[in-house]
Order: sequence, then C-alpha cells, then structure tokens
Amino acid sequence: GAGVSQSPRYKVAKRGQDVALRCDPISGHVSLFWYQQALGQGPEFLTYFQNEAQLDKSGLPSDRFFAERPEGSVSTLKIQRTQQEDSAVYLCASSLAGQETQYFGPGTRLLVL
Amino acid sequence: LAKTTQPVSMDSYEGQEVNITCSHNNIATNDYITWYQQFPSQGPRFIIQGYKTKVTNEVASLFIPADRKSSTLSLPRVSLSDTAVYYCLVGAMNTGFQKLVFGTGTRLLVSP
Repeated sequence: GAGVSQSPRYKVAKRGQDVALRCDPISGHVSLFWYQQALGQGPEFLTYFQNEAQLDKSGLPSDRFFAERPEGSVSTLKIQRTQQEDSAVYLCASSLAGQETQYFGPGTRLLVL
Repeated sequence: LAKTTQPVSMDSYEGQEVNITCSHNNIATNDYITWYQQFPSQGPRFIIQGYKTKVTNEVASLFIPADRKSSTLSLPRVSLSDTAVYYCLVGAMNTGFQKLVFGTGTRLLVSP
C-alpha cells in the first residue's frame, strides 16, 4: 500500500509569505505527527494529532505555526509570515496508534528567501 | 526524555559488520530503545526496537546490556546502500504517544 505522502516536495517562499504544507498519512492511521528538521540535525517534534484532535502542540516554535487535521486524515501545516529561520525540512509521520511505529513521509523542503 | 550520545560518524567497507554504540545513562525504567535510519531526502525509517538483552530482525541486531545505559546497533555485512544517518532514541511507551526525540545521529559511510 501507499506510504505517507507530502506535498509539495519543495517550496520556495519569500520572507513574509504564508505557506501550507500537506500530509497524506497511511490510510487507517489514527496518529499523525509533524517534525521539523534543520540542516545537519535530527528531526524535532512539532505537533501530534489523534484523529482530528490536536493533543500536543508543544513543539510549534511560534504562533505563526498552525496545524490542522479537520477530518482525521489529511493534515496541513501552515506557516504564516515566513521567516528565514523557518527554512527546514518538514516531516510528517503517521502510525496506527500513538505508541506504534511511526512511518515518515519524504518531507517538504522549505526555503525562505 | 533520556539524552543519547552516539558517534558523529563512522566509516566502513562493504561486507563488514558495523556496530554503532549509543549511550543513554539516564534511561528510565519505562524507556524503550529505538533506532531509525535516514537516507538523504527521505524521512527516517524504523529499524529496530528493544527493551533489554538482544533483539534481532531481518535488518539488524540490537544489543542491550543489563544496566541498559548503552545499546549497540549491529549491521551485518553492510553494503553501499547502508550509507545513511542512524539515530538512537529512547522514550517511554506508556505515555499515550511517542514524541520521538532525535539527536544528531551517526553518519555511516560505506565504501567499496
């Protein structure tokens, strides 16, 4: 079956623009995670959804970051008024349940100029 | 969540066995040890997970001593395609969900 997919794969934004990053999890996976990976670093947790409920958003770096999963499947990570420090790879992962193995998508590489 | 320490990089040759050791001195009783692999331009991929002693699957083995303060990922007979970054993570399984905490990982380079 299909794995986790993310779109777009690459995004270039001018500083101050809003961006929206999409994640399609594996069908039937209840849990969905977003991570941010800076160049040369490991991924860092941003937020967690169980179905449509956002149960943990402690990793979101500022109030410019917003994530949603309105129907409990596809999720969107939105970054408002992008800054250069937002440049990173944004990874989405899904799992059957919160404690199960997480399956990662290929990520969206965001470059803010 | 327990902090982990692992070598920044390792070099090997095709056909050799590679052992990557991770230190986690502050591991808690409920923590499991998990290893992920990441290729360039891809998301991390689960390799193996264990709690104590030894775990083996079709890809790797994980050795955990009795005190659980370290663990060793063993990759038998590596190939060029095993060149990747390997992350050691520790975390509890009974907290509702796994908030994976990655360090900087170990960059493994396999040469012909």
